[in-house]
Amino acid sequence: EPEVTQTPSHQVTQMGQEVILRCVPISNHLYFYWYRQILGQKVEFLVSFYNNEISEKSEIFDDQFSVERPDGSNFTLKIRSTKLEDSAMYFCASEDAQSSTDTQYFGPGTRLTVL
Amino acid sequence: QKEVEQNSGPLSVPEGAIASLNCTYSDRVSQSFFWYRQYSGKSPELIMSIYSNGDKEDGRFTAQLNKASQYVSLLIRDSQPSDSATYLCAVNTPLVFGKGTRLSVIA
Repeated sequence: EPEVTQTPSHQVTQMGQEVILRCVPISNHLYFYWYRQILGQKVEFLVSFYNNEISEKSEIFDDQFSVERPDGSNFTLKIRSTKLEDSAMYFCASEDAQSSTDTQYFGPGTRLTVL
Repeated sequence: QKEVEQNSGPLSVPEGAIASLNCTYSDRVSQSFFWYRQYSGKSPELIMSIYSNGDKEDGRFTAQLNKASQYVSLLIRDSQPSDSATYLCAVNTPLVFGKGTRLSVIA
């Protein structure tokens, strides 16, 4: 069964450094999302991406964040200057635009630890 | 501010019993409703989606939606210890999640 994959599974970085989190969505899906979950808190929406552009973003997704689809398979989240409070699980999700249901399938996540 | 509220639990049920999980949402015009299961340290896994009022059954799971009351529920029949997890209610696209209800099924 097709699934969303994410790399790395765990990223440790120093405060102020840039990180890039990578996702490979399910191949025929056209909507892509990033969510994050700070330990013990709810899953929060960051950004959605469709047709090579951001379709919606939350208040969390400020200027330190960017997303890109550099090729036909990868979808990346870049955090330019990491802060301690960016430590969280980051989940990528994808959705089939052809489906009658707007069901999102999540990848396994990247645990980001900012020291 | 769109909110989704869930009782955080823990909800403890004996093996074989029915577990009942509830969720309310604030956005009256919401159209899509989802239940995800999340094991500790893992990603959300879709269990059920529901779009219209009433019940929707899939195996041991039944989702119930009442748009007038802005209420969604999930029933798990014949609960198993492997059902022990946090159950996340999510609404709309992009998803707005509740904080989740932790379910513990006691063998």
